[in-house]
Amino acid sequence: GQNIDQPTEMTATEGAIVQINCTYQTSGFNGLFWYQQHAGEAPTFLSYNVLDGLEEKGRFSSFLSRSKGYSYLLLKELQMKDSASYLCAVIESNYQLIWGAGTKLIIKP
Amino acid sequence: SQTIHQWPATLVQPVGSPLSLECTVEGTSNPNLYWYRQAAGRGLQLLFYSVGIGQISSEVPQNLSASRPQDRQFILSSKKLLLSDSGFYLCAWDSPLRTTNEQFFGPGTRLTVL
Repeated sequence: GQNIDQPTEMTATEGAIVQINCTYQTSGFNGLFWYQQHAGEAPTFLSYNVLDGLEEKGRFSSFLSRSKGYSYLLLKELQMKDSASYLCAVIESNYQLIWGAGTKLIIKP
Repeated sequence: SQTIHQWPATLVQPVGSPLSLECTVEGTSNPNLYWYRQAAGRGLQLLFYSVGIGQISSEVPQNLSASRPQDRQFILSSKKLLLSDSGFYLCAWDSPLRTTNEQFFGPGTRLTVL
């Protein structure tokens, strides 16, 4: 069956680094997205991984291991504005997106 | 550039009343269109998707329906709302060319059924 697992909530300190993990079991694989969603707003695109390895984009990096069905989102130099939910989503063989429930990240001063 | 609009932004409706949410996309042709629902603190649940005018696929059985009367217009409807229909409704589009597979979201409609 289809399943995407992420921690429900994480807490980190301003200026620190946090890693949000995502594991998945899906019907085929055509890529993995990370989206950021602030409370009451629509999700916005952060990253896309289709090959194994690390994709770096400023303070945010995303890693993928297809053989392990595993990805993580790494946020460096945390800022208060990074407080949000982070959604992991996998594109299946039929190009449908399967969404995780999201990880609520709380940043403390 | 492409933009996606949804309205209304918020809606409070009584149980049993009808519903119509509208989504329009600008700046692209023949987009794939999606309706999602997000319950409070939960992930996105795909309700409907459409690959073309008049082509609607339903992912979950419910009292909702969708229509695509024009290429860039996607409508979510209900004849009689239930309390469980409350949530945050998001419309999204992506390109059938699959150049990035990224989905772009509208601002959402927050529906409260009382």
